[in-house]
Amino acid sequence: NAGVTQTPKFRILKIGQSMTLQCTQDMNHNYMYWYRQDPGMGLKLIYYSVGAGITDKGEVPNGYNVSRSTTEDFPLRLELAAPSQTSVYFCASGGTVEDTQYFGPGTRLTVL
Amino acid sequence: SQKIEQNSEALNIQEGKTATLTCNYTNYSPAYLQWYRQDPGRGPVFLLLIRENEKEKRKERLKVTFDTTLKQSLFHITASQPADSATYLCALGYSTLTFGKGTMLLVSP
Repeated sequence: NAGVTQTPKFRILKIGQSMTLQCTQDMNHNYMYWYRQDPGMGLKLIYYSVGAGITDKGEVPNGYNVSRSTTEDFPLRLELAAPSQTSVYFCASGGTVEDTQYFGPGTRLTVL
Repeated sequence: SQKIEQNSEALNIQEGKTATLTCNYTNYSPAYLQWYRQDPGRGPVFLLLIRENEKEKRKERLKVTFDTTLKQSLFHITASQPADSATYLCALGYSTLTFGKGTMLLVSP
């Protein structure tokens, strides 16, 4: 099992550009999450999904969009990138609501 | 508003000693609490889960306590090793997880 994979590992964007961060899990988990982590700060929940076709906002959803068309994939879309979106983005998955969350390796995004 | 506090200063201890990390919270009634380990440049890795009706959980050299009256969890690593050096995150859960900022642990030989 590969677990949770994320692509790309690193990306530099210009202000106003858009991009999609990819996340795939092979554990057949229903729950998937997107977090951002700024230096010295805790993980902040952006969006989450409890199953294919169902998504919900977390603590910091502004400037992001998600979709969940399959159990395995949970892409995060950034439209009109802003410097405030410079961060490390982690995708995670879990089998139930209180289950262990398995994290991907992260995507380091810089917006200049 | 909900607040989770973990020691912002790094905890420095000698190999073989017990490390104790603290997680305090306010304005929150979590159903469960989890502890994760995060190494530089990597995603967090799950260590332990403890539910609101449990006082203590153990796993090998790890022990976590959960006091819902004090609104505090303590995370202990006994017989600490340099390989235990990392940042440890506590996370409070109800429907989703809310993470603390983490405490860095440095174990010196």
